[in-house]
Amino acid sequence: EDKVVQSPLSLVVHEGDTVTLNCSYEVTNFRSLLWYKQEKKAPTFLFMLTSSGIEKKSGRLSSILDKKELFSILNITATQTGDSAVYLCALTQGGSEKLVFGKGTKLTVNP
Amino acid sequence: DAGITQSPRYKITETGRQVTLMCHQTWSHSYMFWYRQDLGHGLRLIYYSAAADITDKGEVPDGYVVSRSKTENFPLTLESATRSQTSVYFCASTEGGGHGYTFGSGTRLTVV
Repeated sequence: EDKVVQSPLSLVVHEGDTVTLNCSYEVTNFRSLLWYKQEKKAPTFLFMLTSSGIEKKSGRLSSILDKKELFSILNITATQTGDSAVYLCALTQGGSEKLVFGKGTKLTVNP
Repeated sequence: DAGITQSPRYKITETGRQVTLMCHQTWSHSYMFWYRQDLGHGLRLIYYSAAADITDKGEVPDGYVVSRSKTENFPLTLESATRSQTSVYFCASTEGGGHGYTFGSGTRLTVV
């Protein structure tokens, strides 16, 4: 059975800290891995990763994929209270447009 | 407005009632999805559709019915609501290619 596992499930940090969120997966015919941020409403898109070793970056957020070890990480540097959210990892497979989600990591950034 | 719209935003219904959640997208995306989100489970796929008149079950389809007579609409019906269907429901769409998914704002459904 296809599986997406995120860790930790929750994390509390102080403003200015750097955090690393993990997503490991077992899926046949991998196509892409996506990261979303969810703040009490619809998930919003952060990154899509398809190739190993190529870092995607947007401001203080970055992400990388390791297709050999079957995981991805999402880094957030110099965290701010506005980064408080649930971060979701999802996969797509070749031949299917379905998104398979992990359970998410709830990040709380305290001032 | 362009985008993906869900209605209603909030709904309280009684056990045994039929409820329909609406989803409308303006991009003419081929693919549409219904997910439910519950604490401890993340987002789970209920049903999806690859085109008008083509639908298929997801991970948790029991108790739900969908239809897609027009590309832009993908309603989700709970035929006889149960308390276990209390959840937040999200509709999403994409043109395909493994990216470009957009989510609606969600419907919070409470079954009492």
